[in-house]
Amino acid sequence: AQSVTQLGSHVSVSEGALVLLRCNYSSSVPPYLFWYVQYPNQGLQLLLKYTSAATLVKGINGFEAEFKKSETSFHLTKPSAHMSDAAEYFCAVSSLGGQNFVFGPGTRLSVLP
Amino acid sequence: GAGVSQTPSNKVTEKGKYVELRCDPISGHTALYWYRQSLGQGPEFLIYFQGTGAADDSGLPNDRFFAVRPEGSVSTLKIQRTERGDSAVYLCASSLSGTDSNEQFFGPGTRLTVL
Repeated sequence: AQSVTQLGSHVSVSEGALVLLRCNYSSSVPPYLFWYVQYPNQGLQLLLKYTSAATLVKGINGFEAEFKKSETSFHLTKPSAHMSDAAEYFCAVSSLGGQNFVFGPGTRLSVLP
Repeated sequence: GAGVSQTPSNKVTEKGKYVELRCDPISGHTALYWYRQSLGQGPEFLIYFQGTGAADDSGLPNDRFFAVRPEGSVSTLKIQRTERGDSAVYLCASSLSGTDSNEQFFGPGTRLTVL
């Protein structure tokens, strides 16, 4: 069975500061990993995905994530937070042969002026 | 092009009533997924369609929940004898095919409130 944990249900950063959102997964087979963002009253939007190519994945809006197999992690980072980054962020895992995604509980990011 | 659309955007019903939630996927997407998102939680998988057939319905919580996709495009999630615990946002997603690495495109969701 697959599972995803996201440490910190709420993260606050100052505008211009580093954003770090944590994601750890468990999977018995090589995983595919995803980060989605959900703005208020909108659907989930894909930020980036890891599908066994490069371990450092670059996504939209300046976000990137690094797959670390030894740590079973896929943390999301952005060097400099912008007010428009305030949203809910979800990490998800699927795996070879699996047909559905398992989502983490989400982390709400607040950006302070 | 048009994204995934869901109707209605909001549905308020009384305990015990029957509801239908509709999903229009992106044209050409063969895979369609239903999720349920409760307040403060991540989306929870309900059912996955590949074409017209339900390839995986292991996430449906009980037999009050049923979904169809008769022509391989539009899907309807049906909930019988609704309970207050069914209140949540129901999300639909579609992808080009059902492979694991394909991005799922999500609709805005239907917020269901059972009074």
